[in-house]
Amino acid sequence: EDKVVQSPLSLVVHEGDTVTLNCSYEVTNFRSLLWYKQEKKAPTFLFMLTSSGIEKKSGRLSSILDKKELFSILNITATQTGDSAVYLCAVGGSDSGGYQKVTFGTGTKLQVIP
Amino acid sequence: DAGITQSPRHKVTETGTPVTLRCHQTENHRYMYWYRQDPGHGLRLIHYSYGVKDTDKGEVSDGYSVSRSKTEDFLLTLESATSSQTSVYFCAIRGGQGVRAFFGQGTRLTVV
Repeated sequence: EDKVVQSPLSLVVHEGDTVTLNCSYEVTNFRSLLWYKQEKKAPTFLFMLTSSGIEKKSGRLSSILDKKELFSILNITATQTGDSAVYLCAVGGSDSGGYQKVTFGTGTKLQVIP
Repeated sequence: DAGITQSPRHKVTETGTPVTLRCHQTENHRYMYWYRQDPGHGLRLIHYSYGVKDTDKGEVSDGYSVSRSKTEDFLLTLESATSSQTSVYFCAIRGGQGVRAFFGQGTRLTVV
């Protein structure tokens, strides 16, 4: 069974701090790893990674994938209160028929305090 | 954002009654997924579909069935609702390999 584990489960930081969120996975026929941000409603997409060692960046957020060690990290620099959310890691893999499943971790709840 | 809508957005139902949730997309995406989200469990896959009439079970499929008679619609049915099925249900769509998944706004279901 596919498995995605995120750590830490939650953390509280002060504005301006840098945080690193972790995601490790075991999945059949890995296709891609995705990061989402979830506030009060539906998850919103942040990054998709398919290749090892290539960093994706968007403003203060960046992410990198290590396919050999089966993990990814999401970095947020100079955190702001608007970064407070649950960050979800998901992995796309293929089932025995070659059809694509997306498996999510339980998320990391980030709280940024002023 | 992708054209994906869920209905209803909120529902309260009684134990033992059947309930159907609808996911509708306008993107002509191949893959559609139903997840439930509960505190401490994240998003768990219930069922997914890879085409019209092609569906498969996810990790928490017991007590749920699905149907996809048209590309744009993916229905999730709780055959006999139980209190353990009180949850927020999300539908997601995906075009294929290397394409991100888009989420609907969620349906909050309460079984009393």
